[in-house]
Amino acid sequence: DAKTTQPPSMDCAEGRAANLPCNHSTISGNEYVYWYRQIHSQGPQYIIHGLKNNETNEMASLIITEDRKSSTLILPHATLRDTAVYYCIVRVAQGYSTLTFGKGTMLLVSP
Amino acid sequence: GAGVSQTPSNKVTEKGKYVELRCDPISGHTALYWYRQSLGQGPEFLIYFQGTGAADDSGLPNDRFFAVRPEGSVSTLKIQRTERGDSAVYLCASSLKGPSGGETDTQYFGPGTRLTVL
Repeated sequence: DAKTTQPPSMDCAEGRAANLPCNHSTISGNEYVYWYRQIHSQGPQYIIHGLKNNETNEMASLIITEDRKSSTLILPHATLRDTAVYYCIVRVAQGYSTLTFGKGTMLLVSP
Repeated sequence: GAGVSQTPSNKVTEKGKYVELRCDPISGHTALYWYRQSLGQGPEFLIYFQGTGAADDSGLPNDRFFAVRPEGSVSTLKIQRTERGDSAVYLCASSLKGPSGGETDTQYFGPGTRLTVL
Protein backbone atom coordinates (compact mmCIF):
# COMPACT_ATOMS: atom_id res chain seq x y z
CA ASP A 1 0.00 0.00 0.00
CA ALA A 2 1.13 3.52 -0.74
CA LYS A 3 2.47 5.59 2.13
CA THR A 4 0.88 8.81 3.31
CA THR A 5 2.28 12.03 4.78
CA GLN A 6 0.29 14.21 7.15
CA PRO A 7 1.21 17.22 9.29
CA PRO A 8 1.68 16.18 12.93
CA SER A 9 -0.74 18.76 14.31
CA MET A 10 -3.26 21.43 13.36
CA ASP A 11 -5.41 23.94 15.19
CA CYS A 12 -8.92 25.07 14.35
CA ALA A 13 -11.39 27.46 15.95
CA GLU A 14 -14.75 26.05 16.92
CA GLY A 15 -17.36 26.65 14.21
CA ARG A 16 -14.78 27.11 11.48
CA ALA A 17 -13.93 24.60 8.76
CA ALA A 18 -11.05 22.24 9.47
CA ASN A 19 -9.06 21.25 6.38
CA LEU A 20 -6.73 18.33 6.96
CA PRO A 21 -4.25 17.59 4.16
CA CYS A 22 -2.75 14.26 3.19
CA ASN A 23 -0.02 13.51 0.68
CA HIS A 24 -0.05 10.13 -1.11
CA SER A 25 2.14 10.73 -4.13
CA THR A 26 2.78 7.02 -4.80
CA ILE A 27 -0.87 5.98 -4.82
CA SER A 28 -1.84 3.37 -7.41
CA GLY A 29 -4.88 3.43 -9.65
CA ASN A 30 -6.67 0.74 -7.66
CA GLU A 31 -6.03 2.26 -4.23
CA TYR A 32 -8.62 4.17 -2.25
CA VAL A 33 -8.08 6.94 0.27
CA TYR A 34 -9.63 6.29 3.68
CA TRP A 35 -9.90 8.57 6.67
CA TYR A 36 -10.28 7.42 10.25
CA ARG A 37 -10.12 9.43 13.44
CA GLN A 38 -9.29 8.51 17.01
CA ILE A 39 -10.67 10.49 19.89
CA HIS A 40 -8.64 10.23 23.09
CA SER A 41 -8.99 6.83 24.84
CA GLN A 42 -11.24 5.45 22.10
CA GLY A 43 -10.68 3.17 19.14
CA PRO A 44 -10.38 4.60 15.62
CA GLN A 45 -13.62 5.58 13.89
CA TYR A 46 -14.25 5.43 10.15
CA ILE A 47 -15.04 8.81 8.57
CA ILE A 48 -15.07 8.59 4.79
CA HIS A 49 -13.30 7.10 1.78
CA GLY A 50 -12.94 7.80 -1.94
CA LEU A 51 -11.21 6.77 -5.16
CA LYS A 52 -11.04 9.85 -7.38
CA ASN A 53 -14.28 11.74 -7.07
CA ASN A 54 -15.03 14.06 -4.21
CA GLU A 55 -17.15 12.46 -1.53
CA THR A 56 -19.42 13.84 1.18
CA ASN A 57 -21.27 12.25 4.05
CA GLU A 58 -22.80 13.42 7.30
CA MET A 59 -19.41 13.66 8.98
CA ALA A 60 -17.12 15.23 6.42
CA SER A 61 -16.13 15.90 2.81
CA LEU A 62 -13.18 14.38 1.00
CA ILE A 63 -11.51 16.28 -1.82
CA ILE A 64 -9.04 14.30 -3.96
CA THR A 65 -6.84 16.13 -6.45
CA GLU A 66 -7.13 15.22 -10.10
CA ASP A 67 -3.73 13.51 -10.13
CA ARG A 68 -4.76 11.69 -6.92
CA LYS A 69 -1.46 12.50 -5.26
CA SER A 70 -3.07 14.36 -2.38
CA SER A 71 -6.39 14.80 -0.63
CA THR A 72 -8.05 17.01 1.95
CA LEU A 73 -10.53 16.02 4.61
CA ILE A 74 -12.92 18.85 5.42
CA LEU A 75 -14.93 19.15 8.60
CA PRO A 76 -17.23 22.03 7.63
CA HIS A 77 -18.08 23.30 11.11
CA ALA A 78 -15.63 21.91 13.63
CA THR A 79 -16.79 21.36 17.20
CA LEU A 80 -14.82 20.66 20.34
CA ARG A 81 -15.78 16.99 19.99
CA ASP A 82 -13.87 16.85 16.71
CA THR A 83 -10.60 17.13 18.61
CA ALA A 84 -8.86 13.88 17.70
CA VAL A 85 -6.03 12.28 15.75
CA TYR A 86 -6.99 11.96 12.09
CA TYR A 87 -5.46 9.19 9.99
CA CYS A 88 -5.26 9.16 6.20
CA ILE A 89 -4.83 5.61 4.87
CA VAL A 90 -4.39 4.28 1.37
CA ARG A 91 -5.38 0.72 0.56
CA VAL A 92 -6.60 -1.43 -2.29
CA ALA A 93 -10.30 -2.10 -2.12
CA GLN A 94 -10.37 -5.28 -4.18
CA GLY A 95 -8.35 -8.16 -2.91
CA TYR A 96 -6.72 -8.50 0.45
CA SER A 97 -5.34 -5.43 2.18
CA THR A 98 -5.20 -4.42 5.82
CA LEU A 99 -5.25 -0.90 7.27
CA THR A 100 -1.79 0.62 7.70
CA PHE A 101 -1.92 3.57 10.07
CA GLY A 102 0.72 6.31 10.18
CA LYS A 103 1.03 8.81 13.01
CA GLY A 104 -1.85 10.95 11.76
CA THR A 105 -2.66 14.60 12.42
CA MET A 106 -3.62 15.77 15.89
CA LEU A 107 -6.44 18.28 15.35
CA LEU A 108 -7.13 20.57 18.29
CA VAL A 109 -10.41 22.48 18.11
CA SER A 110 -10.50 25.42 20.47
CA PRO A 111 -13.38 27.62 21.68
CA GLY B 1 -26.73 -1.54 18.50
CA ALA B 2 -23.82 -2.97 20.45
CA GLY B 3 -20.40 -2.18 19.14
CA VAL B 4 -17.12 -4.02 19.59
CA SER B 5 -16.36 -4.60 23.24
CA GLN B 6 -13.05 -5.47 24.86
CA THR B 7 -12.22 -6.73 28.32
CA PRO B 8 -10.56 -5.84 30.52
CA SER B 9 -10.24 -2.13 29.81
CA ASN B 10 -6.99 -2.06 31.77
CA LYS B 11 -4.58 -4.83 32.67
CA VAL B 12 -1.49 -4.49 34.82
CA THR B 13 0.82 -7.45 35.02
CA GLU B 14 4.36 -8.29 35.97
CA LYS B 15 7.13 -9.15 33.60
CA GLY B 16 7.09 -12.83 32.73
CA LYS B 17 3.39 -13.37 33.40
CA TYR B 18 0.76 -14.65 30.98
CA VAL B 19 -2.19 -12.48 29.94
CA GLU B 20 -5.37 -12.92 27.94
CA LEU B 21 -7.26 -10.10 26.29
CA ARG B 22 -10.82 -10.63 25.09
CA CYS B 23 -12.71 -9.15 22.15
CA ASP B 24 -16.44 -9.39 21.43
CA PRO B 25 -17.07 -8.31 17.84
CA ILE B 26 -20.24 -6.89 16.39
CA SER B 27 -22.77 -9.68 15.95
CA GLY B 28 -22.67 -11.14 12.46
CA HIS B 29 -19.26 -9.76 11.54
CA THR B 30 -17.16 -12.49 9.99
CA ALA B 31 -13.85 -10.66 10.12
CA LEU B 32 -11.97 -9.77 13.29
CA TYR B 33 -8.69 -7.90 13.63
CA TRP B 34 -6.20 -7.23 16.41
CA TYR B 35 -3.98 -4.15 16.45
CA ARG B 36 -1.44 -2.82 18.91
CA GLN B 37 -0.94 0.88 19.56
CA SER B 38 2.10 2.23 21.34
CA LEU B 39 2.14 5.71 22.81
CA GLY B 40 2.24 8.40 20.13
CA GLN B 41 1.93 5.91 17.27
CA GLY B 42 -0.90 4.77 15.05
CA PRO B 43 -2.38 1.29 15.47
CA GLU B 44 -0.22 -1.52 14.13
CA PHE B 45 -1.81 -4.62 12.59
CA LEU B 46 -1.23 -7.90 14.40
CA ILE B 47 -3.60 -10.58 13.10
CA TYR B 48 -6.80 -11.01 11.13
CA PHE B 49 -9.42 -13.76 11.41
CA GLN B 50 -11.94 -14.71 8.77
CA GLY B 51 -14.41 -16.87 10.64
CA THR B 52 -12.54 -19.21 12.93
CA GLY B 53 -9.26 -19.23 11.06
CA ALA B 54 -6.36 -16.83 11.26
CA ALA B 55 -6.13 -15.60 7.67
CA ASP B 56 -3.11 -13.37 8.27
CA ASP B 57 -0.91 -13.42 11.35
CA SER B 58 2.03 -11.65 9.75
CA GLY B 59 1.86 -8.78 12.26
CA LEU B 60 2.42 -10.87 15.37
CA PRO B 61 5.82 -9.75 16.68
CA ASN B 62 7.01 -13.16 17.91
CA ASP B 63 5.82 -16.55 19.10
CA ARG B 64 4.89 -15.23 22.55
CA PHE B 65 1.79 -13.79 20.91
CA PHE B 66 -1.10 -16.02 19.93
CA ALA B 67 -4.78 -15.45 19.19
CA VAL B 68 -7.80 -17.69 18.81
CA ARG B 69 -11.37 -17.38 17.65
CA PRO B 70 -12.75 -20.89 18.18
CA GLU B 71 -16.40 -20.29 17.33
CA GLY B 72 -16.00 -17.48 14.84
CA SER B 73 -17.18 -14.80 17.23
CA VAL B 74 -15.29 -13.94 20.43
CA SER B 75 -11.52 -13.78 20.12
CA THR B 76 -8.78 -13.96 22.72
CA LEU B 77 -5.30 -12.53 22.30
CA LYS B 78 -2.81 -14.40 24.44
CA ILE B 79 0.63 -13.14 25.42
CA GLN B 80 3.11 -15.42 27.13
CA ARG B 81 6.11 -14.36 29.22
CA THR B 82 5.17 -10.70 28.98
CA GLU B 83 7.92 -8.12 28.58
CA ARG B 84 7.90 -4.42 29.41
CA GLY B 85 7.98 -3.69 25.69
CA ASP B 86 4.57 -5.35 25.34
CA SER B 87 2.99 -2.42 27.18
CA ALA B 88 0.54 -0.79 24.78
CA VAL B 89 -3.15 -0.44 23.96
CA TYR B 90 -4.45 -3.54 22.22
CA LEU B 91 -7.30 -2.75 19.85
CA CYS B 92 -9.80 -5.13 18.34
CA ALA B 93 -11.90 -4.41 15.26
CA SER B 94 -14.50 -6.30 13.28
CA SER B 95 -16.02 -5.96 9.84
CA LEU B 96 -18.88 -7.60 8.02
CA LYS B 97 -16.99 -9.29 5.18
CA GLY B 98 -13.28 -8.74 5.64
CA PRO B 99 -10.47 -7.01 3.70
CA SER B 100 -11.48 -8.67 0.47
CA GLY B 101 -15.07 -7.55 0.85
CA GLY B 102 -14.69 -4.44 -1.24
CA GLU B 103 -14.27 -0.72 -0.63
CA THR B 104 -17.25 -0.39 1.68
CA ASP B 105 -16.17 -3.04 4.17
CA THR B 106 -15.61 -0.80 7.20
CA GLN B 107 -13.69 -1.84 10.28
CA TYR B 108 -15.33 -0.94 13.58
CA PHE B 109 -13.00 -0.65 16.52
CA GLY B 110 -13.44 -1.37 20.19
CA PRO B 111 -12.14 0.94 22.94
CA GLY B 112 -9.03 -1.15 23.49
CA THR B 113 -7.31 -2.80 26.43
CA ARG B 114 -4.45 -0.88 28.00
CA LEU B 115 -1.78 -3.40 28.98
CA THR B 116 0.95 -2.33 31.38
CA VAL B 117 3.81 -4.71 32.09
CA LEU B 118 5.78 -3.76 35.19
